[in-house]
Amino acid sequence: SQTIHQWPATLVQPVGSPLSLECTVEGTSNPNLYWYRQAAGRGLQLLFYSVGIGQISSEVPQNLSASRPQDRQFILSSKKLLLSDSGFYLCAWRPGQGQGTFGSGTRLTVV
Amino acid sequence: QKEVEQNSGPLSVPEGAIASLNCTYSDRVSQSFFWYRQYSGKSPELIMSIYSNGDKEDGRFTAQLNKASQYVSLLIRDSQPSDSATYLCAVRGNTPLVFGKGTRLSVIA
Repeated sequence: SQTIHQWPATLVQPVGSPLSLECTVEGTSNPNLYWYRQAAGRGLQLLFYSVGIGQISSEVPQNLSASRPQDRQFILSSKKLLLSDSGFYLCAWRPGQGQGTFGSGTRLTVV
Repeated sequence: QKEVEQNSGPLSVPEGAIASLNCTYSDRVSQSFFWYRQYSGKSPELIMSIYSNGDKEDGRFTAQLNKASQYVSLLIRDSQPSDSATYLCAVRGNTPLVFGKGTRLSVIA
């Protein structure tokens, strides 16, 4: 079965610091991977999705970037965090398709 | 801008009652519809999917879809305190999944 590993579970970072969140998938090859953010009082917002190595689609202009260095690895980054980057970040494998699923999420607080 | 609208709640129902959750969507070409349950601090988990007009039942859950009215709903029969969570409606058409903000359900014992 497919498993998504996402870490860390919680993170507190100062404004202006860099960010790197990693997501890896087991049990499948060439997965479609997604990064979502859930801010307080807001729904799940799609940030990026990737259909393969080096292929990134950005849904929302923002202070973040994503990379897909390996087939089963999807990384979310920022060079300088803003207060508005706080939220619950979720990696997902083919959400809404078959057995697609979400990772356990990272709670990011920018202070 | 494709939108999915849900009443944020909270929706409070007594234990054993039927909980009714509603969702409307703006994109008429939407083809697939999903209900996710999200417990506080946890990631969403898929509980129902529906693709054609009508009802789809799975245990205590029934999803209802009306494409003409651009409306999808979720009924939870015999509600239990463990059903207390936020329920997210999600819609997919020609673009990746779009989520509503969710409805918070509270089942009172």
